[in-house]
Amino acid sequence: QKEVEQDPGPLSVPEGAIVSLNCTYSNSAFQYFMWYRQYSRKGPELLMYTYSSGNKEDGRFTAQVDKSSKYISLFIRDSQPSDSATYLCAMSAPGGGADGLTFGKGTHLIIQP
Amino acid sequence: KAGVTQTPRYLIKTRGQQVTLSCSPISGHRSVSWYQQTPGQGLQFLFEYFSETQRNKGNFPGRFSGRQFSNSRSEMNVSTLELGDSALYLCASSLERGAFTDTQYFGPGTRLTVL
Repeated sequence: QKEVEQDPGPLSVPEGAIVSLNCTYSNSAFQYFMWYRQYSRKGPELLMYTYSSGNKEDGRFTAQVDKSSKYISLFIRDSQPSDSATYLCAMSAPGGGADGLTFGKGTHLIIQP
Repeated sequence: KAGVTQTPRYLIKTRGQQVTLSCSPISGHRSVSWYQQTPGQGLQFLFEYFSETQRNKGNFPGRFSGRQFSNSRSEMNVSTLELGDSALYLCASSLERGAFTDTQYFGPGTRLTVL
């Protein structure tokens, strides 16, 4: 079983829809949770950073962490064509170790105009 | 503030050769991490340097090595290249608060093709 599971998609939704992206993980030591957006031929760009459980909102983006279920989500409201990209979840345990920052393989999101 | 820069952006090498990639972190950042990104395996952690010392290391063979200089700039080296080393190599920098607990900022990557 992979440490972090993420549906690769593609996920295609119409402009203006609410998008839900998810990851599950198996390592209960993970405490720090991030979502990155990566456009084609670019490096990942941090969108959201959350410590432990709970919700965090930033503009159209909301990140949720449920440590009891080992499940994290990213919601995008009022989706725009410019949101079309690959979204990567990432997580780490305190101290890092051999896992470093552990990434999901990414979900390819397409927002149709 | 300038972002993370990586050079070169593209590189073509043949099997058996070695390669050195360079990364300049954001000014003031002391931690530099390296990742390999492939379609099959996704993003995988290679190693992290902090204050010129390797602080964490991923599960890659010894052909992959790195170092960090006193100005926080970092290089990674891959010796005896294999076809499977073809990938996007990403560098990320962060402040010093803790390994991977601080926000990491990624560079654009170096795309290495091994023929």
